[in-house]
Amino acid sequence: QSALTQPASVSGSPGQSITISCTGTSSDIGVYNYVSWYQQHPGKAPKLMIYEVSYRPSGVSNRFSGSKAGNTASLTISGLQAEDDAYYHCTSYTSSSTHWVFGGGTKVTVL
Amino acid sequence: QVQLLQSGSEMKKPGASVKVSCNTSGYSFLDYDVTWVRQAPGQGLEWVGWISVDDDHTNYAPEFQGRVTMTTDTSTSTAYMELRSLTSDDSAVYYCARAVTSYFDPWGQGTLVIVSS
Repeated sequence: QSALTQPASVSGSPGQSITISCTGTSSDIGVYNYVSWYQQHPGKAPKLMIYEVSYRPSGVSNRFSGSKAGNTASLTISGLQAEDDAYYHCTSYTSSSTHWVFGGGTKVTVL
Repeated sequence: QVQLLQSGSEMKKPGASVKVSCNTSGYSFLDYDVTWVRQAPGQGLEWVGWISVDDDHTNYAPEFQGRVTMTTDTSTSTAYMELRSLTSDDSAVYYCARAVTSYFDPWGQGTLVIVSS
């Protein structure tokens, strides 16, 4: 069982917006802004999409945005496109000896 | 561009050890740390550990403590992860990634490790 909780799947039609939640605790998301999101297509390595809650790396579409409220972080994809069909993983630094925790991953399906 | 190129797939028997390499290029190896993450078939990502390249300080996830060793070779800009006493539960794709204080970017292509008798 993953330390961070994500929905197993989220779907949307092209052009729509979707939001993926990532729920942690007061030992990780609730206290650190070291939350990042990774996109992973099947058989490929994860790719950084958002870091430090809401910052986008160079080259990542501005359709991707991140936020945090309390112990829950969120990734929003606006203007959904076929290429967004992938798994999305959240991670956070934690004060526990584990140091870094991941969510179980969310499959985004573009209908 | 920044690249991390990992060694090829491995098949090991239970109880054996595996050593995965991660050859980096396109940046100053000493300026960034390296982290290792694994992904079992059909599962999410799991953090294995982190090595500070400039002083070889390591942090390992508790479940791997005592079984994993991370090292670097600054002469070849390569990081290594050795995992011992393998069981079938260790069958996974192992990724290295360049580690910044708050995130991991970019990632290597992954190394498949299969543990089977």
